[in-house]
Amino acid sequence: RKEVEQDPGPFNVPEGATVAFNCTYSNSASQSFFWYRQDCRKEPKLLMSVYSSGNEDGRFTAQLNRASQYISLLIRDSKLSDSATYLCVVRFTMDTGRRALTFGSGTRLQVQP
Amino acid sequence: ETGVTQSPTHLIKTRGQQVTLRCSSQSGHNTVSWYQQALGQGPQFIFQYYREEENGRGNFPPRFSGLQFPNYSSELNVNALELDDSALYLCASSLGGVPSYEQYFGPGTRLTVT
Repeated sequence: RKEVEQDPGPFNVPEGATVAFNCTYSNSASQSFFWYRQDCRKEPKLLMSVYSSGNEDGRFTAQLNRASQYISLLIRDSKLSDSATYLCVVRFTMDTGRRALTFGSGTRLQVQP
Repeated sequence: ETGVTQSPTHLIKTRGQQVTLRCSSQSGHNTVSWYQQALGQGPQFIFQYYREEENGRGNFPPRFSGLQFPNYSSELNVNALELDDSALYLCASSLGGVPSYEQYFGPGTRLTVT
């Protein structure tokens, strides 16, 4: 079982639609959670952190359920520029005490005119 | 832009050869992490360097090795290349010891092994 699992998609939605991505993680000791965005053949870029209380950044809302080990991302009023792969990311502490990131395989979103 | 640079951008190697990839971290960042991203997959953690020492490793064989230099730049070396090593190799820099600990990714090196 993968440590971070996502639906690979693709999600094909019209402009203006609301779309939701889900993610589950297996390591209950995971400490911090993020959504990254990756455009085709580019590096991943931090979209937003995910907090237990839920958090919003403009059209983007992220939720975390630690009990269910479940993370979600909601995008409202989709724009053509939202087309990308969205990576669910979990930060964990290694035996050395240092921290690293575990990525899901990503969910591809294609917003259509 | 993140200020993290990687070289070369693209590279083609033959199975069995060795390759060295380079990463310059963002100014002031003392930690570099390396990731391998195969086509259609998310990045997979290879290892991390902090103050010139390896400080954690993912599930990669010893033929993947690295270095960090006093200026915090880093190299990833892969020996005895295999076809499955074809991937995008990403480095990410961060400031170790800071709670926010955001990692900033470079543009990656695309390695093709034939």
